[in-house]
Amino acid sequence: AQKVTQAQTEISVVEKEDVTLDCVYETRDTTYYLFWYKQPPSGELVFLIRRNSFDEQNEISGRYSWNFQKSTSSFNFTITASQVVDSAVYFCALTYSGTYKYIFGTGTRLKVLA
Amino acid sequence: GAVVSQHPSRVICKSGTSVKIECRSLDFQATTMFWYRQFPKQSLMLMATSNEGSKATYEQGVEKDKFLINHASLTLSTLTVTSAHPEDSSFYICSARDRMRGDGRFYEQYFGPGTRLTVT
Repeated sequence: AQKVTQAQTEISVVEKEDVTLDCVYETRDTTYYLFWYKQPPSGELVFLIRRNSFDEQNEISGRYSWNFQKSTSSFNFTITASQVVDSAVYFCALTYSGTYKYIFGTGTRLKVLA
Repeated sequence: GAVVSQHPSRVICKSGTSVKIECRSLDFQATTMFWYRQFPKQSLMLMATSNEGSKATYEQGVEKDKFLINHASLTLSTLTVTSAHPEDSSFYICSARDRMRGDGRFYEQYFGPGTRLTVT
């Protein structure tokens, strides 16, 4: 089965705290792609990152970083020094070779309090 | 990056009427587009895959006679919700796959801004 699990439904942090959003995936395919999207209250999905299954290098982009570990089928997302503008719902998604469908996790609602 | 638009962004219709939502790829050709539905505080669920020039493929549980999809050109797919009822109220999001941006296994997909449908 192909599945994405985001166990954290909602997280609240105080501004400037670091926060990690978890994502665990299941797939039988050896070629697959993982994504993180941000969905602010406007509803529009904002693309954050794509990773393919052959590239386990961690990535850092400003305050954002991602930890991809195939051994644990996880693709976690960390925001360093969180800001109020980071408040949104964050979705982890999966697609795999041979299909173009995106399978989304249930999302994690992040609230950053001033 | 590539742009996908949706029209309208918000629509209110009366129960029993039909409403059409458009999804356009503005600067690329999309042989494949996808329609997702998102209920409040829930995830995005794929409804159907729209292929240019052929019939759409619907996910299990999605009524194809209720959600009519037409992909008449390489830049436009439409979703028509027929005989809408309050339970069809939702946020509908499309995505478009750019056949020119990929590595042979994966092609970039871009999401539209969504259409909020309210059926009264």
